[in-house]
Amino acid sequence: QKEVEQDPGPLSVPEGAIVSLNCTYSNSAFQYFMWYRQYSRKGPELLMYTYSSGNKEDGRFTAQVDKSSKYISLFIRDSQPSDSATYLCAMMSGYKLSFGAGTTVTVRA
Amino acid sequence: SQTIHQWPATLVQPVGSPLSLECTVEGTSNPNLYWYRQAAGRGLQLLFYSVGIGQISSEVPQNLSASRPQDRQFILSSKKLLLSDSGFYLCAWSVNLAGVDEQFFGPGTRLTVL
Repeated sequence: QKEVEQDPGPLSVPEGAIVSLNCTYSNSAFQYFMWYRQYSRKGPELLMYTYSSGNKEDGRFTAQVDKSSKYISLFIRDSQPSDSATYLCAMMSGYKLSFGAGTTVTVRA
Repeated sequence: SQTIHQWPATLVQPVGSPLSLECTVEGTSNPNLYWYRQAAGRGLQLLFYSVGIGQISSEVPQNLSASRPQDRQFILSSKKLLLSDSGFYLCAWSVNLAGVDEQFFGPGTRLTVL
């Protein structure tokens, strides 16, 4: 069983829709939960991170963590074509980041 | 501001040939440095990390090695490439912000082994 499970998609939505992404994990030692965005042929960039259960908002992005269910989510409101990318969840224990496989999202204009 | 460079951007190598990928960081001192590999449709796999010059930890047994000859230079090497070494290689550096080791990634090297 992988430590971090993420549905690879792909996911295609119309512009303006809400994008919903999620990951599950098995390691209770994970302390921080992150979402990275990766455009094609580029390195990932950090979007958001959180360390506690609950919601965290940053503009159009909301990260949600439920430690009791070992489940995290990322919501993108009012999606734009520029949001088309692969979104990777990542979880940190100590120095080590464990990544999900990434979900490829396409926002259609 | 900090920047991270990787080269080459793309590389096509025959099986059995050697490999050397280089990563350099500017604008920071004594960073933690990381090498990851990303295979098609898969997440990032940590290969090596380094907390200082000459200090390398390996996460996955393989035919790759890493070295850190200078504070802001990290090199990934192989003596003989395998087909399974193909992938997207990413270097990252990290800074500790409020207890979180935030990692910043370079642009990556796409390696194809034929």
